[in-house]
Amino acid sequence: GQNIDQPTEMTATEGAIVQINCTYQTSGFNGLFWYQQHAGEAPTFLSYNVLDGLEEKGRFSSFLSRSKGYSYLLLKELQMKDSASYLCTVVDSNYQLIWGAGTKLIIKP
Amino acid sequence: DVKVTQSSRYLVKRTGEKVFLECVQDMDHENMFWYRQDPGLGLRLIYFSYDVKMKEKGDIPEGYSVSREKKERFSLILESASTNQTSMYLCASSFGGLDTGELFFGEGSRLTVL
Repeated sequence: GQNIDQPTEMTATEGAIVQINCTYQTSGFNGLFWYQQHAGEAPTFLSYNVLDGLEEKGRFSSFLSRSKGYSYLLLKELQMKDSASYLCTVVDSNYQLIWGAGTKLIIKP
Repeated sequence: DVKVTQSSRYLVKRTGEKVFLECVQDMDHENMFWYRQDPGLGLRLIYFSYDVKMKEKGDIPEGYSVSREKKERFSLILESASTNQTSMYLCASSFGGLDTGELFFGEGSRLTVL
């Protein structure tokens, strides 16, 4: 079966750095996306990785290792508004999206 | 600015009622999707459509149907609602292939079936 694993919940302090991990076992790989979803709101696109390595976008970076079936989202200089759920999703060999259950990130002052 | 609009944010229906959820996008996207989101589970695909009048079953189509008569509009229909269909329903659209195109989501419709 296909599976995406993410931690259910994480807590971090304002101003700090947090890394949210995502491991996947899928039939093939054609890209990995991270989305952010604030409570009661629509998910919004954060990042896309298809090749190994780090993609940086301001305070947010996303890393991919295809050989390890592993990605992480790195959030720096955390702000209270970063409190949200972070969804990892993989495009499989049939070009279907396989979704993780999401990681709820709680930021404390 | 890209916009996906869902007709109702909150609905309460009784078992056996027909439920109609509508989604409209203003980006001329070919692809449109209906997902349900439940606590502790990843998004689950109900149906998707890659063109007008075209539809494909997703992972959990049972109990649902869809309609896409116009490119910008994708409707989800629950012919006879049941309590296990209480959930958050998310509509999304995209342009081009799923391997390169991000999804644009609506704000969701929270359905409670009593």
